Amino acid sequence: QVQLVESGGAVVQPGRSLRLSCAASGFTFRTYAMYWVRQAPGKGLEWVAVISYDGSENYYADSVKGRFTISRDNSRNTLYLQMNSLRPEDTAVYSCARDTVTSPYYDYAMDVWGQGTTVTVSS
Amino acid sequence: QSALTQPASVSGSPGQSITISCTGTSSDVGYYKYVSWYQQYPRTAPKLMIYEVSNRPSGVSNRFSGSKSGNTASLTISGLQAEDEADYYCSSYTSSNTVIFGGGTKLTVL
Repeated sequence: QVQLVESGGAVVQPGRSLRLSCAASGFTFRTYAMYWVRQAPGKGLEWVAVISYDGSENYYADSVKGRFTISRDNSRNTLYLQMNSLRPEDTAVYSCARDTVTSPYYDYAMDVWGQGTTVTVSS
Repeated sequence: QSALTQPASVSGSPGQSITISCTGTSSDVGYYKYVSWYQQYPRTAPKLMIYEVSNRPSGVSNRFSGSKSGNTASLTISGLQAEDEADYYCSSYTSSNTVIFGGGTKLTVL
């Protein structure tokens, strides 16, 4: 079945780095734009980043621009989020999600979500 | 960029209809057709309920409908059921090539 499974979450100190992974299965990963979305404890959803189906385009929320990098390996059906210079306010559950339409288009809607991986930034 | 504005909570009785508003600006909700709505139960992944303002994905009940007027989008749930009690989030594409979510609305079925 169509599935996204995140991994890599951990407890890290402020200023450190972490890389999250999202393994996709059950669909043609290389034909979909992909997203990272986070949710801080007790808070709402916050969009983090998007990457095009081929990795040629990516965009970021202002809150993470310059610190986070979204990437993908279509040969491994895997999405990544490299997080540098982590701050306490980055503490959240990070989820990957799929766009609703296939390449080369975006619909900016997310129809398949993973269960998320928890990142805690604390000294 | 600030989040889209949603009411913190709404409530209704079984069988009634409720509407959740989502207010943005002319740079997001007001300009683009890319407005979506998500339903989220506690400790679970969000579920897409509406995309492109008013389209329902396959499998979503036709009790859920979406619309837009100016800078405000709306989600209407008719024939309210106990299982509809959840958090609801709107989102929109923006002129900055980003996506922005609303703050979320907690729906209580009385």
